[in-house]
Amino acid sequence: EADIYQTPRYLVIGTGKKITLECSQTMGHDKMYWYQQDPGMELHLIHYSYGVNSTEKGDLSSESTVSRIRTEHFPLTLESARPSHTSQYLCASSEGLSGLDSKSLFADTQYFGPGTRLTVL
Amino acid sequence: QKEVEQNSGPLSVPEGAIASLNCTYSDRGSQSFFWYRQYSGKSPELIMFIYSNGDKEDGRFTAQLNKASQYVSLLIRDSQPSDSATYLCAVNSGGFNKFYFGSGTKLNVKP
Repeated sequence: EADIYQTPRYLVIGTGKKITLECSQTMGHDKMYWYQQDPGMELHLIHYSYGVNSTEKGDLSSESTVSRIRTEHFPLTLESARPSHTSQYLCASSEGLSGLDSKSLFADTQYFGPGTRLTVL
Repeated sequence: QKEVEQNSGPLSVPEGAIASLNCTYSDRGSQSFFWYRQYSGKSPELIMFIYSNGDKEDGRFTAQLNKASQYVSLLIRDSQPSDSATYLCAVNSGGFNKFYFGSGTKLNVKP
C-alpha cells in the first residue's frame, strides 16, 4: 500500500482566502503530481514535479502554484480561492525510473493520496 | 481526439458474470498501460499494469493488450457487487508529461 498523505481531507472556505493543500509521501518517489477531479468527471493534471526544485504546469490551466523543496513534500497553494476552485484535489507520486525494462515501466505507476475535497463559498 | 478513450457506461452486469471494460489509445509509442479502480468519492487505486502484448492475469482480473490495434481491456471474472466502481484506463507514452487517464467506465454489478 502506498504511503501518500493529504491534508486537510475536507476544506470549506470563503472566497478570497489563501489556502495550501498539503501532500506528503514517504516512499522516496521522485515524481509527484496534482490532479483536479470534479464528481463523476475525469482527472485533469494541473501540476507535476520531476524532483526537488522542479515544477511544471500540467494540461489543465490552473490558478494554483506548487513548490518542491523536499522530495517528500509537494504542497499546492491557491492565493485567492474562488467558487470555481471547488473540486476534489488528488496528489499522486511515482518512482520514475528511466528505461524500457519491466521494472522501469512499472515504476511509472502512480499512487494516489486520499484527496482533498475543497468547497469555496 | 482524446489520448485515451473509454466508454463512460454505465456497464451493468449480474453478479457472477464477466465484466469487460475497454480502452483505446491514440499514441502508438505508448509503452505501459494501467487499470485503476475508483470508488465514488475516493481516490484511484491500481488494479493492474501491463506492457507486453497478450494477457496478464491477477486473481479475478485479466488485462489484455493489443498494441497493433491500440487497444487494452480489463476482464473481471465472477463479478461481485463490491466491484461496482469507475474503472480508469491510464497510458504512459514514455515522457513525463505523457501519462494520460481516460475518463473512466462506470461498472454496476447487480446482486
